[in-house]
Amino acid sequence: AQSVTQPDIHITVSEGASLELRCNYSYGATPYLFWYVQSPGQGLQLLLKYFSGDTLVQGIKGFEAEFKRSQSSFNLRKPSVHWSDAAEYFCAVGTGFQKLVFGTGTRLLVSP
Amino acid sequence: KAGVTQTPRYLIKTRGQQVTLSCSPISGHRSVSWYQQTPGQGLQFLFEYFSETQRNKGNFPGRFSGRQFSNSRSEMNVSTLELGDSALYLCASSPTPGETQYFGPGTRLLVL
Repeated sequence: AQSVTQPDIHITVSEGASLELRCNYSYGATPYLFWYVQSPGQGLQLLLKYFSGDTLVQGIKGFEAEFKRSQSSFNLRKPSVHWSDAAEYFCAVGTGFQKLVFGTGTRLLVSP
Repeated sequence: KAGVTQTPRYLIKTRGQQVTLSCSPISGHRSVSWYQQTPGQGLQFLFEYFSETQRNKGNFPGRFSGRQFSNSRSEMNVSTLELGDSALYLCASSPTPGETQYFGPGTRLLVL
């Protein structure tokens, strides 16, 4: 069965500093991988996705993620965090675009 | 183009009652999925519909059901509500099952 681990429940980053959110997955074949962001009281917004091709994918809002098959990881990065990036971030895996399995989320706090 | 619409946004019910939640997908989207989000279990897949047919179902009891109409709008129903059904119910749509899902803002259900 597929599973996703986001080992960090909370992360605090200073505004302007770089960010890396970790995501490890368990899946037998090449997975479809996603990062979503959820602001308080809101639904999920897709940041980026990977299912084939270049292992470094660019997303919206300056985010990028790198698929590393050998490490079963799909970590999310941003070079310079803005206060508006404070939210909860979810990594998800699927056999396709549907029936996604989500991680438990990482709550990002941005300090001034 | 308008996003995914979910109604109602907030709902309070008592144990034993039943509830129906509605989802209107993005115009032109024919695939609709439902997810339940709780603090304890996180985001879990409920079911997926395409062209009025249920394609996938998550690991939820039979009290949870859904349907999709010919205009692609979807409803989910929960009968005999339990306290543990309190959650944010998210609907997501995509043009077809093979494309990226876009999430609505959710319906927050509180069962007393």
